[in-house]
Amino acid sequence: KQEVTQIPAALSVPEGENLVLNCSFTDSAIYNLQWFRQDPGKGLTSLLLIQSSQREQTSGRLNASLDKSSGRSTLYIAASQPGDSATYLCAVARGTALIFGKGTTLSVSS
Amino acid sequence: DGGITQSPKYLFRKEGQNVTLSCEQNLNHDAMYWYRQDPGQGLRLIYYSQIVNDFQKGDIAEGYSVSREKKESFPLTVTSAQKNPTAFYLCASSSRSGGENNEQFFGPGTRLTVL
Repeated sequence: KQEVTQIPAALSVPEGENLVLNCSFTDSAIYNLQWFRQDPGKGLTSLLLIQSSQREQTSGRLNASLDKSSGRSTLYIAASQPGDSATYLCAVARGTALIFGKGTTLSVSS
Repeated sequence: DGGITQSPKYLFRKEGQNVTLSCEQNLNHDAMYWYRQDPGQGLRLIYYSQIVNDFQKGDIAEGYSVSREKKESFPLTVTSAQKNPTAFYLCASSSRSGGENNEQFFGPGTRLTVL
């Protein structure tokens, strides 16, 4: 059974710091991996999708990597800003639907 | 504007009542999904539909029902058989189901509270 783990559960950093969020999964047979952002009480916003045949994807200050063989993905956020404060979720595609981790709650202080 | 809408934003249910949550998308997506989110837990799949007039149970379908009569609509009914329905419900859609390019997009959610 696929399990997705995100460490740490919470992270606090000062503005301007570069940071890495981690995601691990137990079954490497995935179609893709998605990173989402969720603000309190809101829906999910898709940040990046990495196909199983890809190693990384970039969007602005965000860079996500995927290592299927080790069952790991990282989300790198460069030059963090207070507006980056949110919960970040990773999810792997198993067949039709997604399997989610519990998320990392990020707080960036000014 | 293309996107996914959910209504209502907040919903209160009395014990023993059935309630229906609405989900509409104008993205022309074939596949739609319902997830449930509880505090401190990841999202869990309730039901999904890959095409009109077809749907499949997810991991926690007991106490829920769905229909898919139109491509753009996928309503979720929370029945009185659902013992702990208080949660945040999220609807999602994707252009197709499965495959490397299956990127899912989410609606704003409905928060259901049982009184």
